[in-house]
Amino acid sequence: QVQLVESGGGVVQPGRSLRLSCAASGFIFSSYAMHWVRQAPGNGLEWVALISYDGSNKYYADSVQGRFTISRDNSKSILYLQLNSLRPEDTAVYFCARQIRDYWGQGTLVTVSS
Amino acid sequence: AIQMTQSPSSLSASVGDRVTITCRASQGIRNDLGWYQQKPGKAPKLLIHAASSLQSGVPSRFSGSGSGTDFTLTISSLQPEDSATYYCLQDYSYPQTFGQGTKVEIK
Repeated sequence: QVQLVESGGGVVQPGRSLRLSCAASGFIFSSYAMHWVRQAPGNGLEWVALISYDGSNKYYADSVQGRFTISRDNSKSILYLQLNSLRPEDTAVYFCARQIRDYWGQGTLVTVSS
Repeated sequence: AIQMTQSPSSLSASVGDRVTITCRASQGIRNDLGWYQQKPGKAPKLLIHAASSLQSGVPSRFSGSGSGTDFTLTISSLQPEDSATYYCLQDYSYPQTFGQGTKVEIK
């Protein structure tokens, strides 16, 4: 069965960095584009980034452009999100999701606080 | 970025009621719209893709319609398990954008 498992969240100070991972199984990872979506506490959903199946195309929300980097390792079936220059407003649960968002991970919480 | 305006922000209805949620895009997005259901502490669940295509395994009481700028999610007969927050999402262009959400409560 399809599984997406995020990891890497935690508490980090403003200005610092963090890398999130999403381990995929149960499908041919290298055939699918992948997304990151986040949700701040008590707020709605915000699309963050997408990477094409082969990593050749990447797109970002305006709010993270230039600070976050999406990448993937198809040999390991892992999706990544590098979060740099973190701000308190980046505090959220970060979800990974498959191409048409038919499968989602359980999310990993990132808290940016001094 | 395309703005997605979702309404109402919340509603309360009885079991068996017909419920309608609307989403309006700030510009035409063809039929590149999905609807998602989210329950507290859980990941969102895809209900409808391409504006009107029911995702596999989703009950047939859920339906979607619309094209261009105006879209609707309808629950034909509300059930207790439908208590959740519903979001629309346009995937016509980047950045992709969600509506603000509609919280559905059961009376």
